[in-house]
Amino acid sequence: EPEVTQTPSHQVTQMGQEVILRCVPISNHLYFYWYRQILGQKVEFLVSFYNNEISEKSEIFDDQFSVERPDGSNFTLKIRSTKLEDSAMYFCASSVPAGGPDTQYFGPGTRLTVL
Amino acid sequence: RKEVEQDPGPFNVPEGATVAFNCTYSNSASQSFFWYRQDCRKEPKLLMSVYSSGNEDGRFTAQLNRASQYISLLIRDSKLSDSATYLCVVSGGYQKVTFGIGTKLQVIP
Repeated sequence: EPEVTQTPSHQVTQMGQEVILRCVPISNHLYFYWYRQILGQKVEFLVSFYNNEISEKSEIFDDQFSVERPDGSNFTLKIRSTKLEDSAMYFCASSVPAGGPDTQYFGPGTRLTVL
Repeated sequence: RKEVEQDPGPFNVPEGATVAFNCTYSNSASQSFFWYRQDCRKEPKLLMSVYSSGNEDGRFTAQLNRASQYISLLIRDSKLSDSATYLCVVSGGYQKVTFGIGTKLQVIP
């Protein structure tokens, strides 16, 4: 069964450093997403991406964040100048095979720890 | 009012019990509704989509009441493996998806 993959599984960084989280969505999916979940809190939407551009973003997704689909398979989230409060689990998701339902399938997540 | 509201629990139930979770949502224009399951420190996994006509998958039954903006999940004959957090998820379409805080279920032997 096809699945979303994410690397690395755990990233530790120093405050102020830049990190890039990587995702490989399901190959025939058209929409891609990033979410974050701070420990003990709910899953929060960050951004959705379709047709090589951001289609929607939340108030959390400020200038510190950017997304990119550098090739036909990877989808990345870049966090510039990380802050302590960026420590969270970051989930990538993808959805919608052509003509299919809008169910989102999640990757296993990257745990980001900012020291 | 929160966009998606759930009782965080925990619900502690004995094996074999029937348990029901509820969820309310604030945006009447919401189009798609789902229940996801999340195990500790893992990714959310789709349990089932929720339709106005109601739908059933084995021991799980989901209902949607658009007029009351209310979604429910019923689990019959609870198993130990059902212990998890159940996330109510509401979508306006293909884009922004809003999660509830989740309801924690602990099935006790």
